[in-house]
Amino acid sequence: GNSVTQMEGPVTLSEEAFLTINCTYTATGYPSLFWYVQYPGEGLQLLLKATKADDKGSNKGFEATYRKETTSFHLEKGSVQVSDSAVYFCALSWGYQKVTFGIGTKLQVIP
Amino acid sequence: NAGVTQTPKFRILKIGQSMTLQCTQDMNHNYMYWYRQDPGMGLKLIYYSVGAGITDKGEVPNGYNVSRSTTEDFPLRLELAAPSQTSVYFCASSSDRRDQPQHFGDGTRLSIL
Repeated sequence: GNSVTQMEGPVTLSEEAFLTINCTYTATGYPSLFWYVQYPGEGLQLLLKATKADDKGSNKGFEATYRKETTSFHLEKGSVQVSDSAVYFCALSWGYQKVTFGIGTKLQVIP
Repeated sequence: NAGVTQTPKFRILKIGQSMTLQCTQDMNHNYMYWYRQDPGMGLKLIYYSVGAGITDKGEVPNGYNVSRSTTEDFPLRLELAAPSQTSVYFCASSSDRRDQPQHFGDGTRLSIL
């Protein structure tokens, strides 16, 4: 079946450091890929998405590229801020809104 | 700009009590979902609905029930609450297109004592 493997956290970085959170997937067909972010005490919200191979999603300085050859959708940001501290979820969607989420990666950015 | 609204935000129940978690959305989405989130365990799907009158089980449906009488509302019922149901519950909605995201409420934090 379809699945998402996401690096376990927590990830602790200093402000202005480079961020990578790895996400790989297993899927048949052509799923859409998403990154969601969850701030403390809130629900998940869409951060970025990509719907076909080689698409790059971007938002708020975060980027991820849909790599079909490596079945990956790694999240990157060049310079993190304290306000980026949150839990990040990778997810894939196929068929009629069938969605699988990764386990989430907690990011802590220290000043 | 309401989106998905969940009530209550917090609740403490005694073992054996029952309650209904409310969820409503104003985006005219056909698909609605209930998840539970346990610490360090990601999201687990409890039930989902593809439209009014149609519901189906997810990964962890035992101990819960749902109904969908309108497009807007998707309440989750806990019967005979147990400590294992202590969790944060999220409701979400989406269109039926796989390239569109799910929209989440802010959650209900439930403790069973």
